[in-house]
Amino acid sequence: GENVEQHPSTLSVQEGDSAVIKCTYSDSASNYFPWYKQELGKRPQLIIDIRSNVGEKKDQRIAVTLNKTAKHFSLHITETQPEDSAVYFCAPLMDSSYKLIFGSGTRLLVRP
Amino acid sequence: DAGVIQSPRHEVTEMGQEVTLRCKPISGHDYLFWYRQTMMRGLELLIYFNNNVPIDDSGMPEDRFSAKMPNASFSTLKIQPSEPRDSAVYFCASSRDRGRGYGYTFGSGTRLTVV
Repeated sequence: GENVEQHPSTLSVQEGDSAVIKCTYSDSASNYFPWYKQELGKRPQLIIDIRSNVGEKKDQRIAVTLNKTAKHFSLHITETQPEDSAVYFCAPLMDSSYKLIFGSGTRLLVRP
Repeated sequence: DAGVIQSPRHEVTEMGQEVTLRCKPISGHDYLFWYRQTMMRGLELLIYFNNNVPIDDSGMPEDRFSAKMPNASFSTLKIQPSEPRDSAVYFCASSRDRGRGYGYTFGSGTRLTVV
């Protein structure tokens, strides 16, 4: 089955700095790579995703990059703001199994 | 679009009692998922349905857990009998087109406390 690891488990940055979270997966058949954000007491919400035929995707201050050869993808947040403070989950999906396997999460704290 | 609707939002029950969690997926979504979230184990997939049919229930912890989807607009997750270790937040999520490119939409969750 899919083995998913996220690093770091916690990340504290100063407002305005950048944050990078890395997700490593084991199944080379994975072909869809989303990131979810979960604020305290709220539901996980999709913030950005990328398919295996694309190396990078950007949406305003957030971006996702994919390295299929090395089997990892990363979430990049620039110009961080206090409202970016949350837990972020990667969840690579293998087309044949069709179920998102969530990483253990990265708790991001943006200090004002 | 009202999103994925779960009920109840909070449930406190005594050990040994039966608990039923409910979910209404987004109309037109043909996949429905039940997840459990705890601090220790994170987000675990319990079971998922496609067109109301259970596809993979390998995450269901034991026979005390059962899930049904009698029609496209309703699903239940039942725990009988409940135990304190079942305390968690249970999320229902739905998706279309296998989730690729559209992701999952999660409900607000049911916080279950078994005392």
